[in-house]
Amino acid sequence: ETGVTQSPTHLIKTRGQQVTLRCSSQSGHNTVSWYQQALGQGPQFIFQYYREEENGRGNFPPRFSGLQFPNYSSELNVNALELDDSALYLCASSLMGPGLWTNEQFFGPGTRLTVL
Amino acid sequence: TQLLEQSPQFLSIQEGENLTVYCNSSSVFSSLQWYRQEPGEGPVLLVTVVTGGEVKKLKRLTFQFGDARKDSSLHITAAQPGDTGLYLCALYLGGGNKLTFGTGTQLKVEL
Repeated sequence: ETGVTQSPTHLIKTRGQQVTLRCSSQSGHNTVSWYQQALGQGPQFIFQYYREEENGRGNFPPRFSGLQFPNYSSELNVNALELDDSALYLCASSLMGPGLWTNEQFFGPGTRLTVL
Repeated sequence: TQLLEQSPQFLSIQEGENLTVYCNSSSVFSSLQWYRQEPGEGPVLLVTVVTGGEVKKLKRLTFQFGDARKDSSLHITAAQPGDTGLYLCALYLGGGNKLTFGTGTQLKVEL
Protein backbone atom coordinates (compact mmCIF):
# COMPACT_ATOMS: atom_id res chain seq x y z
CA GLU A 1 0.00 0.00 0.00
CA THR A 2 1.48 3.34 -1.08
CA GLY A 3 1.11 6.23 1.33
CA VAL A 4 0.34 9.86 0.57
CA THR A 5 3.14 11.62 -1.28
CA GLN A 6 3.64 15.32 -1.97
CA SER A 7 5.94 17.28 -4.24
CA PRO A 8 8.03 19.28 -4.10
CA THR A 9 9.37 18.99 -0.55
CA HIS A 10 10.49 22.60 -0.38
CA LEU A 11 9.83 25.60 -2.57
CA ILE A 12 10.94 29.23 -2.55
CA LYS A 13 8.96 31.85 -4.45
CA THR A 14 8.73 35.64 -4.51
CA ARG A 15 5.70 37.82 -3.90
CA GLY A 16 3.28 37.93 -6.82
CA GLN A 17 4.38 34.62 -8.31
CA GLN A 18 2.19 31.55 -8.76
CA VAL A 19 2.82 28.07 -7.35
CA THR A 20 1.47 24.56 -7.94
CA LEU A 21 1.78 21.86 -5.30
CA ARG A 22 1.04 18.19 -5.99
CA CYS A 23 -0.37 15.33 -3.96
CA SER A 24 -0.80 11.63 -4.72
CA SER A 25 -3.46 10.01 -2.57
CA GLN A 26 -3.14 6.70 -0.81
CA SER A 27 -4.15 3.67 -2.84
CA GLY A 28 -7.91 3.07 -2.63
CA HIS A 29 -8.74 6.61 -1.46
CA ASN A 30 -10.95 8.95 -3.50
CA THR A 31 -10.89 12.16 -1.44
CA VAL A 32 -8.11 14.69 -0.97
CA SER A 33 -8.11 17.56 1.50
CA TRP A 34 -5.59 20.40 1.62
CA TYR A 35 -4.44 22.21 4.75
CA GLN A 36 -2.18 25.17 5.48
CA GLN A 37 -0.04 24.99 8.60
CA ALA A 38 1.86 27.98 9.97
CA LEU A 39 4.92 27.19 12.08
CA GLY A 40 3.91 25.75 15.48
CA GLN A 41 0.20 26.02 14.75
CA GLY A 42 -2.51 23.54 13.90
CA PRO A 43 -3.35 22.98 10.22
CA GLN A 44 -6.14 25.10 8.70
CA PHE A 45 -8.55 23.51 6.20
CA ILE A 46 -8.28 25.01 2.70
CA PHE A 47 -10.59 22.79 0.64
CA GLN A 48 -11.48 19.22 -0.18
CA TYR A 49 -11.89 17.36 -3.47
CA TYR A 50 -14.15 14.36 -3.88
CA ARG A 51 -14.60 12.65 -7.26
CA GLU A 52 -12.90 15.57 -9.04
CA GLU A 53 -15.29 18.18 -7.56
CA GLU A 54 -14.67 20.68 -4.78
CA ASN A 55 -16.50 19.40 -1.71
CA GLY A 56 -16.19 22.18 0.83
CA ARG A 57 -13.89 25.14 1.33
CA GLY A 58 -12.38 26.87 4.33
CA ASN A 59 -11.80 30.59 4.83
CA PHE A 60 -9.27 31.08 2.03
CA PRO A 61 -9.46 33.59 -0.87
CA PRO A 62 -10.18 32.55 -4.48
CA ARG A 63 -6.50 32.79 -5.40
CA PHE A 64 -6.24 29.40 -3.69
CA SER A 65 -7.62 26.89 -6.16
CA GLY A 66 -7.34 23.19 -6.79
CA LEU A 67 -7.90 20.23 -9.04
CA GLN A 68 -8.44 16.54 -8.63
CA PHE A 69 -7.61 14.14 -11.43
CA PRO A 70 -9.31 10.85 -12.43
CA ASN A 71 -6.61 8.91 -10.57
CA TYR A 72 -7.57 10.97 -7.45
CA SER A 73 -4.26 12.82 -7.28
CA SER A 74 -4.62 16.53 -6.68
CA GLU A 75 -3.04 19.92 -7.19
CA LEU A 76 -3.16 23.07 -5.09
CA ASN A 77 -2.57 26.31 -6.98
CA VAL A 78 -1.89 29.65 -5.33
CA ASN A 79 -1.82 32.83 -7.42
CA ALA A 80 -0.39 36.25 -6.55
CA LEU A 81 1.65 34.88 -3.65
CA GLU A 82 1.85 36.95 -0.47
CA LEU A 83 4.40 36.79 2.33
CA ASP A 84 1.75 35.32 4.67
CA ASP A 85 1.35 32.34 2.34
CA SER A 86 4.66 31.02 3.70
CA ALA A 87 3.67 27.79 5.45
CA LEU A 88 3.66 24.00 5.33
CA TYR A 89 0.99 22.76 2.94
CA LEU A 90 -0.39 19.36 3.80
CA CYS A 91 -2.63 17.10 1.82
CA ALA A 92 -4.61 14.25 3.32
CA SER A 93 -6.43 11.42 1.60
CA SER A 94 -9.44 9.46 2.76
CA LEU A 95 -12.26 7.30 1.46
CA MET A 96 -15.81 8.61 1.09
CA GLY A 97 -18.91 7.37 -0.66
CA PRO A 98 -22.69 6.99 -0.40
CA GLY A 99 -23.31 5.61 3.04
CA LEU A 100 -19.56 5.35 3.62
CA TRP A 101 -17.54 7.69 5.77
CA THR A 102 -14.29 6.89 7.46
CA ASN A 103 -13.05 9.11 10.25
CA GLU A 104 -9.37 8.82 9.44
CA GLN A 105 -7.36 10.95 7.08
CA PHE A 106 -3.83 10.02 6.06
CA PHE A 107 -1.50 12.96 5.72
CA GLY A 108 1.46 13.44 3.44
CA PRO A 109 4.73 14.95 4.69
CA GLY A 110 3.86 18.36 3.29
CA THR A 111 5.44 20.98 1.05
CA ARG A 112 7.29 23.80 2.81
CA LEU A 113 6.60 27.02 0.86
CA THR A 114 8.64 30.13 1.54
CA VAL A 115 7.55 33.42 -0.05
CA LEU A 116 10.20 36.16 -0.13
CA THR B 1 -11.30 32.88 18.72
CA GLN B 2 -10.21 29.29 18.21
CA LEU B 3 -12.82 26.57 18.47
CA LEU B 4 -10.32 24.23 20.13
CA GLU B 5 -7.82 25.72 22.58
CA GLN B 6 -4.88 23.60 23.67
CA SER B 7 -2.63 24.11 26.67
CA PRO B 8 0.14 24.45 27.34
CA GLN B 9 1.41 25.83 24.05
CA PHE B 10 4.96 24.64 24.74
CA LEU B 11 6.30 21.98 27.08
CA SER B 12 9.93 21.00 27.63
CA ILE B 13 10.59 18.14 30.04
CA GLN B 14 13.19 15.56 30.95
CA GLU B 15 12.99 11.91 29.99
CA GLY B 16 10.98 9.92 32.53
CA GLU B 17 8.68 12.76 33.59
CA ASN B 18 4.90 12.63 33.30
CA LEU B 19 2.85 15.29 31.54
CA THR B 20 -0.70 16.22 30.63
CA VAL B 21 -1.89 18.37 27.75
CA TYR B 22 -5.40 19.74 27.42
CA CYS B 23 -7.88 20.48 24.67
CA ASN B 24 -10.81 22.71 25.58
CA SER B 25 -13.84 24.20 23.87
CA SER B 26 -17.06 25.95 24.78
CA SER B 27 -18.98 23.67 22.40
CA VAL B 28 -20.12 20.08 22.73
CA PHE B 29 -18.81 17.56 20.23
CA SER B 30 -19.80 14.08 19.20
CA SER B 31 -16.19 12.93 18.95
CA LEU B 32 -12.64 14.22 19.12
CA GLN B 33 -9.35 13.03 17.75
CA TRP B 34 -5.73 13.37 18.85
CA TYR B 35 -2.83 13.54 16.40
CA ARG B 36 0.95 13.66 16.78
CA GLN B 37 3.09 15.43 14.21
CA GLU B 38 6.82 14.88 14.15
CA PRO B 39 9.20 17.31 12.44
CA GLY B 40 9.09 16.95 8.67
CA GLU B 41 6.00 14.77 8.74
CA GLY B 42 2.25 15.15 8.52
CA PRO B 43 -0.03 14.54 11.53
CA VAL B 44 -0.69 10.91 12.44
CA LEU B 45 -3.91 9.86 14.14
CA LEU B 46 -3.40 8.50 17.67
CA VAL B 47 -6.95 7.98 18.88
CA THR B 48 -10.62 8.91 18.48
CA VAL B 49 -12.75 9.41 21.59
CA VAL B 50 -16.51 9.30 21.25
CA THR B 51 -18.28 8.78 24.57
CA GLY B 52 -18.34 11.33 27.40
CA GLY B 53 -16.03 10.14 30.17
CA GLU B 54 -14.30 7.68 27.86
CA VAL B 55 -10.71 6.74 28.63
CA LYS B 56 -8.46 5.13 26.04
CA LYS B 57 -4.90 3.93 26.48
CA LEU B 58 -2.19 3.60 23.86
CA LYS B 59 0.92 2.23 25.57
CA ARG B 60 2.14 5.11 27.77
CA LEU B 61 -0.48 7.53 26.45
CA THR B 62 -3.86 7.91 28.17
CA PHE B 63 -6.64 9.89 26.49
CA GLN B 64 -9.79 11.10 28.23
CA PHE B 65 -12.93 12.71 26.85
CA GLY B 66 -14.69 14.98 29.33
CA ASP B 67 -18.08 13.95 30.70
CA ALA B 68 -19.72 16.91 28.97
CA ARG B 69 -17.82 16.20 25.70
CA LYS B 70 -16.39 19.74 25.66
CA ASP B 71 -12.82 18.93 26.65
CA SER B 72 -10.19 16.23 26.43
CA SER B 73 -6.79 15.47 27.89
CA LEU B 74 -3.74 13.47 26.92
CA HIS B 75 -1.48 12.14 29.66
CA ILE B 76 1.95 10.69 28.90
CA THR B 77 3.67 8.55 31.50
CA ALA B 78 7.46 8.32 31.65
CA ALA B 79 8.03 10.49 28.58
CA GLN B 80 10.73 9.48 26.12
CA PRO B 81 12.61 11.53 23.49
CA GLY B 82 10.56 9.72 20.84
CA ASP B 83 7.44 11.42 22.23
CA THR B 84 8.77 14.77 21.00
CA GLY B 85 6.40 16.41 18.55
CA LEU B 86 3.37 18.63 18.05
CA TYR B 87 0.24 17.21 19.67
CA LEU B 88 -3.01 18.28 18.05
CA CYS B 89 -6.62 17.71 18.96
CA ALA B 90 -9.13 17.87 16.13
CA LEU B 91 -12.73 17.24 15.21
CA TYR B 92 -14.88 16.95 12.12
CA LEU B 93 -17.15 19.90 11.34
CA GLY B 94 -19.49 20.66 8.48
CA GLY B 95 -19.84 17.16 7.13
CA GLY B 96 -17.43 15.15 5.05
CA ASN B 97 -13.88 14.64 6.16
CA LYS B 98 -13.01 18.27 6.98
CA LEU B 99 -10.91 18.45 10.11
CA THR B 100 -10.71 21.44 12.43
CA PHE B 101 -7.51 21.37 14.48
CA GLY B 102 -6.67 22.86 17.83
CA THR B 103 -3.88 25.33 18.46
CA GLY B 104 -1.38 22.55 19.28
CA THR B 105 1.04 21.69 22.08
CA GLN B 106 4.71 21.50 21.14
CA LEU B 107 6.39 18.88 23.34
CA LYS B 108 10.14 18.41 23.66
CA VAL B 109 11.51 15.55 25.74
CA GLU B 110 15.20 15.78 26.51
CA LEU B 111 17.63 13.14 27.73
